[in-house]
Amino acid sequence: DIQMTQSPFTLSASVGDRVTITCRASQTINSWLAWYQQKPGKAPKLLIYDASTLESGVPPRFSGSGSGTEFTLTISSLQPDDFATYYCQQAYTFGQGTKVEIK
Amino acid sequence: VQLVQSGGGVVQPGRSLRLSCAASGFTFRTSGMHWVRQAPGKGLEWVAVISHDAKSQYYVDSVKGRFTISRDNSRNSVYLQMNGLTIDDTAVYYCARDKGVGASGGEDTFDYWGQGTLVTVSS
Repeated sequence: DIQMTQSPFTLSASVGDRVTITCRASQTINSWLAWYQQKPGKAPKLLIYDASTLESGVPPRFSGSGSGTEFTLTISSLQPDDFATYYCQQAYTFGQGTKVEIK
Repeated sequence: VQLVQSGGGVVQPGRSLRLSCAASGFTFRTSGMHWVRQAPGKGLEWVAVISHDAKSQYYVDSVKGRFTISRDNSRNSVYLQMNGLTIDDTAVYYCARDKGVGASGGEDTFDYWGQGTLVTVSS
C-alpha cells in the first residue's frame, strides 16, 4: 500500500505569510493527488486535485505542485479564513494532516 | 449538489448500524460514492467506495467482512451497513461523492461531502 507522509504536523503563521505544506508518497503516484481543507466540526473541502488543478470556487491564493512522489500545497498570502487543518489524499490514503495555527 | 446523511448514534460493541446518504443536485447514477471516517481528534480515514454502477466495491482492511457499502440509484442514495461494531469504529462518518465513476483507485477524488454523522460504540 502507498503511504502518504505530510509535513509539518503543525505550522504557526501570521496573516499575509506564504505557507507551504509538503506531502510525500512512498512510491510514484503520477499526479493523482488532492488537497483538502477541514475546519473544526465541518466536513473537508476539496481545494486542489490532480496535483495542481484548482477546484471551482477556491481562491487563487491556493496552489498545488509536484509529481511523482513529492507534492506541495502553497497558500500565497494566508488569510484569517485559512486557519484550518489540511490533508493530502491519494486514492484511498490520506496524509496525517497539517494544522495551520495563528502565530 | 447536496448530500444529506442519516443514521448513526450510540450502539453497543458487536451490534449493527446502518448509515444512509441521500444525494441531490446531480446525476447520481454517474458518480462513485465513498464513506470516509474520522475518529475523535484524529485524521481522515477512507472506509469504502462503490462505483457508479455498483459493480465494484472496495474497503479498508479494518472493516472488510464487517461493513457493506451499497447504493440505490432509483432513490439517489448510498448506504453503509456496519456489523460487528467495535470501539475502534467510533468516529464521525462522512459520505462523499467521487469526481468520477468511482473505484478507479488512484484517480478517486472526493469533491462533495455530507455533513457527517457520529457513530459511538460503547458499552
